[in-house]
Amino acid sequence: KNQVEQSPQSLIILEGKNCTLQCNYTVSPFSNLRWYKQDTGRGPVSLTIMTFSENTKSNGRYTATLDADTKQSSLHITASQLSDSASYICVVNSGTYKYIFGTGTRLKVLA
Amino acid sequence: DSGVTQTPKHLITATGQRVTLRCSPRSGDLSVYWYQQSLDQGLQFLIQYYNGEERAKGNILERFSAQQFPDLHSELNLSSLELGDSALYFCASSGSGAFQETQYFGPGTRLLVL
Repeated sequence: KNQVEQSPQSLIILEGKNCTLQCNYTVSPFSNLRWYKQDTGRGPVSLTIMTFSENTKSNGRYTATLDADTKQSSLHITASQLSDSASYICVVNSGTYKYIFGTGTRLKVLA
Repeated sequence: DSGVTQTPKHLITATGQRVTLRCSPRSGDLSVYWYQQSLDQGLQFLIQYYNGEERAKGNILERFSAQQFPDLHSELNLSSLELGDSALYFCASSGSGAFQETQYFGPGTRLLVL
């Protein structure tokens, strides 16, 4: 069964600290993996999109990694800011124009 | 602001009713996607249109239908509504709908079925 699992479910960190969010998937075939940031009650915003051949992709303080062999991805946030408080969602596209969403990690950054 | 607009922002209706949600994609985008986000199931892909034609179907119920018009705006029709249909409905758009394209999400329509 195609699944995307994210961990942890929630995370609290202090402003300025780094953190890493995990995404494991069992989707096959694999086309690409996306990370979204979603503020409460708002639409998701795309952070990165990685295909099978890409290992790392950065977007400012956000760096995503992909290991297609182990079917794992991570999103690293550097020097966190209060505005990073949001849900982070991992999405895998199976190449058939279908998208399987993880349940997200809720991040809270405290001053 | 993503450039994608959705109306209405909020909708309250009763079970058994029918509603229509509207989406206008970013200028120049040909592909529109619909998603449902509920508390218990998270985000789910419903359906994708490209230049007026249906391109892909996800977990869309038979009671739901969508279309994309010649001016590229899209409508999602939800009928025989049930309590479980209460959710946030997002529309997203992208240029050509290719796999690796960034999708830009609208602000969503919050539907409450009583």
